[in-house]
Amino acid sequence: DTGVSQDPRHKITKRGQNVTFRCDPISEHNRLYWYRQTLGQGPEFLTYFQNEAQLEKSRLLSDRFSAERPKGSFSTLEIQRTEQGDSAMYLCASSTVAGRYEQYFGPGTRLTVT
Amino acid sequence: KNQVEQSPQSLIILEGKNCTLQCNYTVSPFSNLRWYKQDTGRGPVSLTIMTFSENTKSNGRYTATLDADTKQSSLHITASQLSDSASYICVVSGGGSYIPTFGRGTSLIVHP
Repeated sequence: DTGVSQDPRHKITKRGQNVTFRCDPISEHNRLYWYRQTLGQGPEFLTYFQNEAQLEKSRLLSDRFSAERPKGSFSTLEIQRTEQGDSAMYLCASSTVAGRYEQYFGPGTRLTVT
Repeated sequence: KNQVEQSPQSLIILEGKNCTLQCNYTVSPFSNLRWYKQDTGRGPVSLTIMTFSENTKSNGRYTATLDADTKQSSLHITASQLSDSASYICVVSGGGSYIPTFGRGTSLIVHP
């Protein structure tokens, strides 16, 4: 399967702990996006990369959130000092620059903060 | 402000019936509109993508329409199946940003 993959699929953590999620985009896609989705809502944009450069960040991305894409391939999203309000589905999507409007989504990582 | 509104919020239909989901947007200038299907606990999967010049596009039993003048789109599902039970999300690109605007989705439940 050459689609977007995310790891882990589920994560349960205690409040105050740090968590890190990984996203592997489709190999030829140089744009990578992170979204957060809560129950009954559409995905909310967090940040996106073109190759290794982080080009835009949402105001939703507080200081506790950081994302990297060090070699322009996979990306990580880290949440420090998790809070219960961080509980959500974290989605990753990728696209080519030419097809930048056609985003392919991964299966998501479900985070539960207890 | 770029916004996408979807209706209804939820819908329950019987298997075999048709249904239509609505999407209104204020994104300007408009680039394209996509409909995604999202099964529970999964990532969204693209159904159709429509640009300014396209009025109708079909993908199997799914038919999307676009009226760029009134900034409205619809997704029509024909002969619904149990597997159509999912959330359907309307996504509009444009507004001077590469970041698309997502609707909240319509939750569709198909009963046998």
